[in-house]
Amino acid sequence: EPEVTQTPSHQVTQMGQEVILRCVPISNHLYFYWYRQILGQKVEFLVSFYNNEISEKSEIFDDQFSVERPDGSNFTLKIRSTKLEDSAMYFCASFEGWVDGYTFGSGTRLTVV
Amino acid sequence: AQSVTQLGSHVSVSEGALVLLRCNYSSSVPPYLFWYVQYPNQGLQLLLKYTTGATLVKGINGFEAEFKKSETSFHLTKPSAHMSDAAEYFCAVTTMNQGGKLIFGQGTELSVKP
Repeated sequence: EPEVTQTPSHQVTQMGQEVILRCVPISNHLYFYWYRQILGQKVEFLVSFYNNEISEKSEIFDDQFSVERPDGSNFTLKIRSTKLEDSAMYFCASFEGWVDGYTFGSGTRLTVV
Repeated sequence: AQSVTQLGSHVSVSEGALVLLRCNYSSSVPPYLFWYVQYPNQGLQLLLKYTTGATLVKGINGFEAEFKKSETSFHLTKPSAHMSDAAEYFCAVTTMNQGGKLIFGQGTELSVKP
């Protein structure tokens, strides 16, 4: 069964550093997303991406965040200058249609120290 | 704007007992509804979804949910709980728009007692 792959599974970074979280969506999917889940809280939408551009973003997705699909397969989330409150599990997801719906990756746990 | 409310942040049942996890939604357009399960330190796994058609939806692991428009509900049930069902369960909603974002509820942690 096709999967969404996220790397790394766990990343520890110092406050103020830049991090890039990587995702390989399912190849024939057209819509891509990033969500985050702060420990013990609900899953929150960050951004959606379609046709090589952001289609929607939440209030959380400020100027510190950016997304790219640099080579037609990878989908990355960059945080320019990490803060302690960015510590969370970040999930990538992709969507092709209502038969399969949304497929989530297993997540990257980001710890900012 | 859409929203999801899950009643009960923590539900505890005995093994073999009925599982009922409640989800109510708010949406100005016809909703598409989902239940996801998250085991500790793992990702989100789709249990079932309602898009169109039959309002009683069957999913994996013996779970099912019924879409009730009049009650704006999409409660998740399982007739007989197993120890392996212990996990966090999230209800989510989106609109008919292709590729729309998912809005998640706060989650319900299910504990299963032997």
